[in-house]
Amino acid sequence: AQSVSQHNHHVILSEAASLELGCNYSYGGTVNLFWYVQYPGQHLQLLLKYFSGDPLVKGIKGFEAEFIKSKFSFNLRKPSVQWSDTAEYFCAVLSGGSYIPTFGRGTSLIVHP
Amino acid sequence: NAGVTQTPKFQVLKTGQSMTLQCAQDMNHEYMSWYRQDPGMGLRLIHYSVGAGITDQGEVPNGYNVSRSTTEDFPLRLLSAAPSQTSVYFCASSLGAGTGELFFGEGSRLTVL
Repeated sequence: AQSVSQHNHHVILSEAASLELGCNYSYGGTVNLFWYVQYPGQHLQLLLKYFSGDPLVKGIKGFEAEFIKSKFSFNLRKPSVQWSDTAEYFCAVLSGGSYIPTFGRGTSLIVHP
Repeated sequence: NAGVTQTPKFQVLKTGQSMTLQCAQDMNHEYMSWYRQDPGMGLRLIHYSVGAGITDQGEVPNGYNVSRSTTEDFPLRLLSAAPSQTSVYFCASSLGAGTGELFFGEGSRLTVL
């Protein structure tokens, strides 16, 4: 069974700091990759996704993620975080032949103004 | 443009009581699923459905039942609530099994005393 690891469980940053959240998965074949964001008290919503093509994908609110196949990674980045980015971030992987995405355990990001 | 609608948003039960969490989507999505979210555990899949009349178990199905009589509705039933079922429950849907991009409801916070 595939697994998804998010190495940082809690991240605390000051505004304007750069962000990188790690995500690694275990499946070696074709994958679709996702990052979801959950703002405090709200439901999860899609931040960005990778299906194929350019491994650097851009999402909403200035976020981007890079798919590195050789490292089985899909790290999320943002050059300069804002207080409003305070949220929980989930990486998810859908492997070829499966129709159920596997979620990581999430990373809680707190941005201090 | 309702998307995925969950009711109720909050519920308090006593141990042994039964209840149904309702989930409806108006996007004609084939795939629907239920997750529970607990601190430090991320999202865990309870049950899912790839179409009307078809359901299957996820990672943590014990204590929960589902049915899918229509494309739109996917209720989650707790037959005899236990304190271990205190959690936040999310319903999610996607256009088709395997597309991976999930649309989430706003969640139902359940407390079992």
